[in-house]
Amino acid sequence: AQRVTQPEKLLSVFKGAPVELKCNYSYSGSPELFWYVQYSRQRLQLLLRHISRESIKGFTADLNKGETSFHLKKPFAQEEDSAMYYCAHGFNSGGSNYKLTFGKGTLLTVNP
Amino acid sequence: EAQVTQNPRYLITVTGKKLTVTCSQNMNHEYMSWYRQDPGLGLRQIYYSMNVEVTDKGDVPEGYKVSRKEKRNFPLILESPSPNQTSLYFCASTPAGRGTDTQYFGPGTRLTVL
Repeated sequence: AQRVTQPEKLLSVFKGAPVELKCNYSYSGSPELFWYVQYSRQRLQLLLRHISRESIKGFTADLNKGETSFHLKKPFAQEEDSAMYYCAHGFNSGGSNYKLTFGKGTLLTVNP
Repeated sequence: EAQVTQNPRYLITVTGKKLTVTCSQNMNHEYMSWYRQDPGLGLRQIYYSMNVEVTDKGDVPEGYKVSRKEKRNFPLILESPSPNQTSLYFCASTPAGRGTDTQYFGPGTRLTVL
């Protein structure tokens, strides 16, 4: 079964410090990976996806196929980055069916 | 405004009393899905639908039913709710379920089953 692992439930850093949220996946094919973010009392929203190679709100994530990882990084954390972050993996589950599997999430707290 | 809506937002009910949580999207998306979010377990997919009249089980479908009679609506039905279905539920939609598509999430429905 496809799996997404986020090893850290909680991550706490100080403002201005670098932050890295880890994500590992298990999939033998070409993965489609995403990071979603959920700010307090708000709905989940897409932060970035690996296929776009974009940087959103200062965050970047690089797909490392050798290590099967898709870690989320930001060089200088801000207090407004405090949120729950979910790594997700999309894959074709057979025929034209497409499924999205989420990790268990990492709660990031950026302290002043 | 393009969005996914869910109703109700909060619901407290008792064991065994059938309930339906509605989900509607106004973006003409083909793909819709339901997730439940539980502390320590993250988001788990309950059911998904690739298009009208096409639905399939996700990772935790037991105790739930869905229907997709129209493209815009994807209700979640709990025929006989139990306390272990107390959770935060999210509906989401995607244009066509392609790998590169963004999932648009609803605001969530917090369900408590006593």
